[in-house]
Amino acid sequence: QKEVEQDPGPLSVPEGAIVSLNCTYSNSAFQYFMWYRQYSRKGPELLMYTYSSGNKEDGRFTAQVDKSSKYISLFIRDSQPSDSATYLCAMSAGNNNDMRFGAGTRLTVKP
Amino acid sequence: EAQVTQNPRYLITVTGKKLTVTCSQNMNHEYMSWYRQDPGLGLRQIYYSMNVEVTDKGDVPEGYKVSRKEKRNFPLILESPSPNQTSLYFCASRRGRGATGELFFGEGSRLTVL
Repeated sequence: QKEVEQDPGPLSVPEGAIVSLNCTYSNSAFQYFMWYRQYSRKGPELLMYTYSSGNKEDGRFTAQVDKSSKYISLFIRDSQPSDSATYLCAMSAGNNNDMRFGAGTRLTVKP
Repeated sequence: EAQVTQNPRYLITVTGKKLTVTCSQNMNHEYMSWYRQDPGLGLRQIYYSMNVEVTDKGDVPEGYKVSRKEKRNFPLILESPSPNQTSLYFCASRRGRGATGELFFGEGSRLTVL
């Protein structure tokens, strides 16, 4: 079993839809949770950062962490074609080199 | 502008021909790392460095070497490339030692080994 599981998709939605992206994990020591966005032919860039459980909102994006279920989510409201990218979850216990990435979910938002 | 620069961005080579992918960051970051990205497997760490002259293996180090002689540079060396090293490679850097901060990635180097 992988330490971080993420459905690779692909996921295709119409413009304006609400998108839900998810990851599950097995290491209960993870406390720092991140979502990276990777456009085609580019490197990943940090999109959202959350510490421990709870929700964090930034514009159309909401990151949610449920440590009891070992489950994190990224919601995108009013999705736009510019949101088309691969979204990678990442998490860490805060030690020197323990960040683990999901495989990434490829999202396409159609006009 | 804060950035991680990788070169070359694209490379086609043949089995056994040594190559180096350079990585440089201008943010004075202590931590640097190399990943390879393959479909369905996500980002897998090859090597990382906590500071100058300090390097360590990641999850998939076989066939690769690295060095960290200067803080800003972290080259990835393939002494004798093989076709299974065909992949998309990313260099990344981060301030500090704990894995709590943002990773800054380069734009990637697509390597094809024939």
